[in-house]
This record gives sequence, structure tokens and C-alpha cells, in this order.
Amino acid sequence: EVQLVQSGAEVKKPGESLRISCKASGYKIPDYWISWVRQMPGKGLEWMGRIDPDDSYTNYRPSFQGHVTISVDKSINTVYLQWSSLKGSDTAIYYCARGAGGSLYYFDYWGQGTLVTVSS
Amino acid sequence: DIVMTQSPDSLAVSLGERATIHCKSSQSVLYSSDKKNYLAWYQQKPGQPPNLLIYWASTRESGVPDRFNGSGSGTDFTLTISSLQAEDVAVYYCQQYYTTPYIFGQGTKVEI
Repeated sequence: EVQLVQSGAEVKKPGESLRISCKASGYKIPDYWISWVRQMPGKGLEWMGRIDPDDSYTNYRPSFQGHVTISVDKSINTVYLQWSSLKGSDTAIYYCARGAGGSLYYFDYWGQGTLVTVSS
Repeated sequence: DIVMTQSPDSLAVSLGERATIHCKSSQSVLYSSDKKNYLAWYQQKPGQPPNLLIYWASTRESGVPDRFNGSGSGTDFTLTISSLQAEDVAVYYCQQYYTTPYIFGQGTKVEI
């Protein structure tokens, strides 16, 4: 059974760093891209960027480029999303999602979401 | 970026009646090489992650009830719930995966 299990909720202060995780199971992680999707409180879905776990190639939505980093540790089937300096506007639920096939594909499996709260 | 616009933003439908949601893309998401529309529909219930309903504009994901149907091509797409059930109360999103950045529509809230 394919599963994406995300790390738990986080409460951080502005300026702090953070890394959240998405652990994949039930399939070979190098075979499918993983994306991160943001959902701000009461709002819609925004695609942030993605990684090809096979070679760690990434591409980002321009509005997120330079503010977040997506990485992978294939040895433990885990993809990460990290910030070096959080802002209040980063408060949101973050979902990881698996691309169903090649480089341009819909999302067939989603993690349960990680709530990140940034507040002083 | 491709802009995805859904209509309406919300709709209320009686149980057993039809619900229709429209999604329009600012450019065609029909790939000429494979003749596929790179358009998906998701359902999101409160407190849950999105759930894939439809891909390639009209292919129903395994396990999705057959009352959910997707149609359209090029720039204009429709999700139809043929007979609304109580469990269908949710927000529905279209998404283009024709190119990055992947873009979602703003969502349509379906209520009873």
C-alpha cells in the first residue's frame, strides 16, 4: 500500500529555521516525483515545487524559489521541505504529493499534511 | 503561468440533484503529441488532504463513484456530480499538469 506520512505539527518563531518531512512507503521512491503543496488558512492549494528523488533534480514555483528548499534522502525514503528563516506568512498546512508517473503527472497520493504555525 | 479559473465559487445543490463545476484554463492543456488533456480534479473534505477524482480530464480514479464525471478539452472543462450525496460536501479543485508551475483553480465549495 502506497503511503506518504508527514512529520507532525510545528510552532516556530519568525526567523527560525524548520525542516518537515514526508516518508514514502509501498513503492520505489526513485520512480516518482514528489511535490509540496501549500494551503494557507481557509485558502486554496498552491504548488510550491517538486523533486525527482532519482537524481535530486528540483524545480520550484518562482514565488517560492530561494525561500524554501526541497531535498531527499533516498536511503530512508524521505523527502524534506525546509526553510532557513520563517515568516508569519509561512503559516499554513503543507502537503507532500506523489506525481503519478513521469515528470508531468497528476497527484495520486497525498500526505496527511503538516501544520506549520509561525508566530512571535 | 497558466491561470485556472473555476466557476462558480460555491454552489448549493439538493440531495440527488446534479452539481456542475466549470474550470477554464488560460491556455490549452491538450498535449498535441499524445492528444491528452493534462487536467485533474480533486475533492477536499474539511480537515483532510485532497483526493484525486479525475485525471486526463475524464478518467475516473479507481474507487471513485461513477456519479463523478469529467469532460472537456483544450481550455474548458467540467466536473459533474450526477446525483449529489451528503458525503460529496467538499471543495473541488481543478489542476493543470501540462507544465510547471502546476496550477490549481481557486476551488468550488459544494454544499447541500
